[in-house]
Amino acid sequence: DTGVSQNPRHKITKRGQNVTFRCDPISEHNRLYWYRQTLGQGPEFLTYFQNEAQLEKSRLLSDRFSAERPKGSFSTLEIQRTEQGDSAMYLCASSPGPHWRGLAGGPAGDTDTQYFGPGTRLTVL
Amino acid sequence: QQQVKQSPQSLIVQKGGISIINCAYENTAFDYFPWYQQFPGKGPALLIAIRPDVSEKKEGRFTISFNKSAKQFSLHIMDSQPGDSATYFCAAPSYPGTYKYIFGTGTRLKVLA
Repeated sequence: DTGVSQNPRHKITKRGQNVTFRCDPISEHNRLYWYRQTLGQGPEFLTYFQNEAQLEKSRLLSDRFSAERPKGSFSTLEIQRTEQGDSAMYLCASSPGPHWRGLAGGPAGDTDTQYFGPGTRLTVL
Repeated sequence: QQQVKQSPQSLIVQKGGISIINCAYENTAFDYFPWYQQFPGKGPALLIAIRPDVSEKKEGRFTISFNKSAKQFSLHIMDSQPGDSATYFCAAPSYPGTYKYIFGTGTRLKVLA
C-alpha cells in the first residue's frame, strides 16, 4: 500500500495520561502535516514539516502538544496530560513538495496535493 | 487567518440529480483548490483539484468551476449516486504563508435511491 498510514487507529485514554500517535507518509514525500478534526467540522491545521524541519505550528498546538519528524520520514504527535477537549480525530497528510521525482506506482499529480491517512480517533475519558 | 465559507451545510438529492456545493475564500498564497470526500470514520480522500489557469475542470461526473474575480469555486456532481453520499470539504491554501490548507466546514450529501 503506497498511501499514508497512521497508528493506532483508535486510542482511548484517561484524562491526564500521555498519548503518542505515529504517521508514515507516502514514500519520499517531503511535506508532512498534522490536522485535527472534530465532529461536524473540517480538518484544522496543527503543524507542518518540510523534511525534518518543523516550519509552522498553529496556535491550536498548545505546549502540551509536540510533534517530531526525526529523519524526515515518519512523524509522531505526542499529547501530554490529555484533556477531554483533546478528543478528536487526528489526521496526518503528506504532499510531494517541489523536488519530488515520484515513484513508479505511487500517486501521480500536483506537488501541492495533500494525501490524508485514515486518522487516529482519540477519546479522552 | 482567512476563512473558507462552504455552503450548503447539508444537501439531499435524488439519484441521477445534480449536487452543487459552493465555497468562497478571502485570499490565498498560491492557486490550488482541492475538494475532498470523506466517509464516516475515514480520512478525507482527494476527489478533484484545480489550478485556476482554467475556469473549469472535469473528471468523470465531478466538475470544479472557478471564478477567480469573485474568489469562489464550486463542485458539481452530475448523475448523483447513493454511493456519493458522504461529507465533502473544499480547501484553499492559507494566506499569508506556507503550504497548509484552510478547510470549509463541510457539506453532508445524501443521495436518495
